[in-house]
Amino acid sequence: AQSVSQHNHHVILSEAASLELGCNYSYGGTVNLFWYVQYPGQHLQLLLKYFSGDPLVKGIKGFEAEFIKSKFSFNLRKPSVQWSDTAEYFCAVRSTGTASKLTFGTGTRLQVTL
Amino acid sequence: GAVVSQHPSRVICKSGTSVKIECRSLDFQATTMFWYRQFPKQSLMLMATSNEGSKATYEQGVEKDKFLINHASLTLSTLTVTSAHPEDSSFYICSARVGAAGIYNEQFFGPGTRLTVL
Repeated sequence: AQSVSQHNHHVILSEAASLELGCNYSYGGTVNLFWYVQYPGQHLQLLLKYFSGDPLVKGIKGFEAEFIKSKFSFNLRKPSVQWSDTAEYFCAVRSTGTASKLTFGTGTRLQVTL
Repeated sequence: GAVVSQHPSRVICKSGTSVKIECRSLDFQATTMFWYRQFPKQSLMLMATSNEGSKATYEQGVEKDKFLINHASLTLSTLTVTSAHPEDSSFYICSARVGAAGIYNEQFFGPGTRLTVL
């Protein structure tokens, strides 16, 4: 079975600070990796995804994530956060194959202060 | 992106009653729909996967007789919480996907339904 762990539960940053949110997964086979964001009162939205190829993927709103296979990690980064980035961020993994399903991490609450 | 709606957004019911939650894909046809449950400050836990016209596949530990799922059309799935109890209080989120899992087949999420059982 696959699992996902997010190390930071609550992160508080000032505007313009750099962001890195950790995500590690455990699964022996090939996986697809995702980061979702949930703004207050809104539904989950896809930030970015990795399927194959370049391990550095760029998403919306200036976010990027790097897949490091040897470390089973898929950390999310943003060079300079904005107040509007305040949200809950979820890492998710999906095994490939016919029975694939998304498994989510516990989420990281990001609070950006002015 | 595609839009998934849920109704109602909030529901409060008495213990022992049944509650139905609807999930609709508004601008696409969803071959597969998923129901998740989210506890406060916790992750989304997959409850079941349903494919249009067939029975839902439930995750281990999820009571299929308690959480009835119907996916009668390509745009509508319903989750009925039968004989609800306070421990069923939670945030229920549905998700919809076109076709099999693949690079172009993203899952789209609904806004969730907050169920409170008194």
